[in-house]
Amino acid sequence: DAGVIQSPRHEVTEMGQEVTLRCKPISGHDYLFWYRQTMMRGLELLIYFNNNVPIDDSGMPEDRFSAKMPNASFSTLKIQPSEPRDSAVYFCASSLGVHDNEQFFGPGTRLTVL
Amino acid sequence: AQSVTQPDIHITVSEGASLELRCNYSYGATPYLFWYVQSPGQGLQLLLKYFSGDTLVQGIKGFEAEFKRSQSSFNLRKPSVHWSDAAEYFCAVGPRTSGTYKYIFGTGTRLKVLA
Repeated sequence: DAGVIQSPRHEVTEMGQEVTLRCKPISGHDYLFWYRQTMMRGLELLIYFNNNVPIDDSGMPEDRFSAKMPNASFSTLKIQPSEPRDSAVYFCASSLGVHDNEQFFGPGTRLTVL
Repeated sequence: AQSVTQPDIHITVSEGASLELRCNYSYGATPYLFWYVQSPGQGLQLLLKYFSGDTLVQGIKGFEAEFKRSQSSFNLRKPSVHWSDAAEYFCAVGPRTSGTYKYIFGTGTRLKVLA
């Protein structure tokens, strides 16, 4: 298995632009997680899905952020409009579910908003 | 409030020396406990996890961790560090019960290994 796949690996955009990050989880995993990593706040859970349904989005910082999972093999995290403070590394992870299973992380997308 | 504390932001050790990375947590009940490692430019990889039973757990790459309930700690150890162990290490806790499947991560400890 190729593991969790994220694209793009790097994204540089200007303030106000829309940004879309993409994730393909490991086949058969029924949980998908979006995290944000910054120096100031560390690794934060933004949202997670179970069987394509958003379960907990309490970590989404504000309405500018949205996430979708249209099918079991694809998810997007969208920021519209983007701001410089959104600059971070965004990770996607997937898991077979329930609490004792390992989360497998993708390589991350490094987002820079100018 | 639930939290994970890794008091050491940076640690430097010589190759071949022993290593201990500290992790303390604050949680309503004993959570599931994890250690992850992140190499530069990579995602996080699970080193080991504790759910129940023997409080000393073995992981990959020669790492082990000991759960101490009385101290709310889950420290990571390695008897002899290799240069390839240079990375950032994250302790995490997760809930045992049903409900939100939300892990809490520590802020990480960056390990530097001297040749």
